[in-house]
Amino acid sequence: NAGVTQTPKFQVLKTGQSMTLQCAQDMNHEYMSWYRQDPGMGLRLIHYSVGAGITDQGEVPNGYNVSRSTTEDFPLRLLSAAPSQTSVYFCASSYNPGPSYGYTFGSGTRLTVV
Amino acid sequence: SQKIEQNSEALNIQEGKTATLTCNYTNYSPAYLQWYRQDPGRGPVFLLLIRENEKEKRKERLKVTFDTTLKQSLFHITASQPADSATYLCALAGGYQKVTFGIGTKLQVIP
Repeated sequence: NAGVTQTPKFQVLKTGQSMTLQCAQDMNHEYMSWYRQDPGMGLRLIHYSVGAGITDQGEVPNGYNVSRSTTEDFPLRLLSAAPSQTSVYFCASSYNPGPSYGYTFGSGTRLTVV
Repeated sequence: SQKIEQNSEALNIQEGKTATLTCNYTNYSPAYLQWYRQDPGRGPVFLLLIRENEKEKRKERLKVTFDTTLKQSLFHITASQPADSATYLCALAGGYQKVTFGIGTKLQVIP
């Protein structure tokens, strides 16, 4: 099925552990991004990429790293997990970086840091 | 600072009625406004986009208005159905990649 695939769906980490959230899309979208969604806060942009080899920071980048070696994949790395990173993480992609196209979202990764 | 306001309280309406959701914004001049639907445990799904020079956009039972003077968008679902129950997010896009999301309004359509 065409779309954005995120793995894992659920994850529990201990404080200080690192992990990578995976995101892959098969729509040949140039633009990909990571958001976190917290109660009462809405979706907040962590990092984004406008194409392979190009990434940039969003609103809340601290504690996260990204890379974009291929058009299809955009993994998000948590360097040293903290309880404040407990959240639901969504990967989104779009045909091009401009806002004239809607985003296609993955189903999310629910992360708990204890 | 830029702010998007959506009714944080849930909106309950009777099946068959028109649901109207509001999105207000301040300190922002968006070129585009988008609406998404989000079901529990799922990612948002794109519904409609309206440009700043458009007053109204329709798609099947959905209608979106965009008033840049009032800094407000209204999202209407006509002949609402229980299957329309979900949280609806508005998102403003000012420039390159800069899409900012509201917290959403939960709609409950009562049979």
